[in-house]
Amino acid sequence: GDSVTQMEGPVTLSEEAFLTINCTYTATGYPSLFWYVQYPGEGLQLLLKATKADDKGSNKGFEATYRKETTSFHLEKGSVQVSDSAVYFCALSDTGNQFYFGTGTSLTVIP
Amino acid sequence: DVKVTQSSRYLVKRTGEKVFLECVQDMDHENMFWYRQDPGLGLRLIYFSYDVKMKEKGDIPEGYSVSREKKERFSLILESASTNQTSMYLCATLGYLIVNEQFFGPGTRLTVL
Repeated sequence: GDSVTQMEGPVTLSEEAFLTINCTYTATGYPSLFWYVQYPGEGLQLLLKATKADDKGSNKGFEATYRKETTSFHLEKGSVQVSDSAVYFCALSDTGNQFYFGTGTSLTVIP
Repeated sequence: DVKVTQSSRYLVKRTGEKVFLECVQDMDHENMFWYRQDPGLGLRLIYFSYDVKMKEKGDIPEGYSVSREKKERFSLILESASTNQTSMYLCATLGYLIVNEQFFGPGTRLTVL
């Protein structure tokens, strides 16, 4: 079945450091891929998405490229800020109706 | 913007009580979902509904039921709450006109004593 595996946390970085959170997926078809972010005390919100191979999703300085050959969708940001502290979830949707989420990666950015 | 609201942010119940978690959305979306979120396990789908009075089991439906009498409202019911149902519950919607994006409510943190 479809599944998502993402890098375990927690991750702690200093402000302005480079961030990578790894995500790989297993799917039978051609899924859409997503990164969601959950700030403390809130629900999940979409950070970025990519719907086909080689697409790059980007938002708020974050980027992720849909790599079909490595079945990956790694999240990157060149310079993190304290306000980026949150839990990040990688997800896929194959049919459009069901979503499969990774276990989440907690990021803490220290000044 | 789509707004998804949940009836309570925090809830404390006793073992054996019947618990209702309500979710309301204002964008006329057809699909609605209930997840539970637990540390180290991510989000797990409990039930979803793709239309009024329609429901489908997700990955972990045991101990839960749902009700969708109106398009905008999707209720999660714990018939007899147990301590292992202590968790964060998240409601989400998905519209046909917006390709592949779920919108989440703020979550209900349920504690069963």
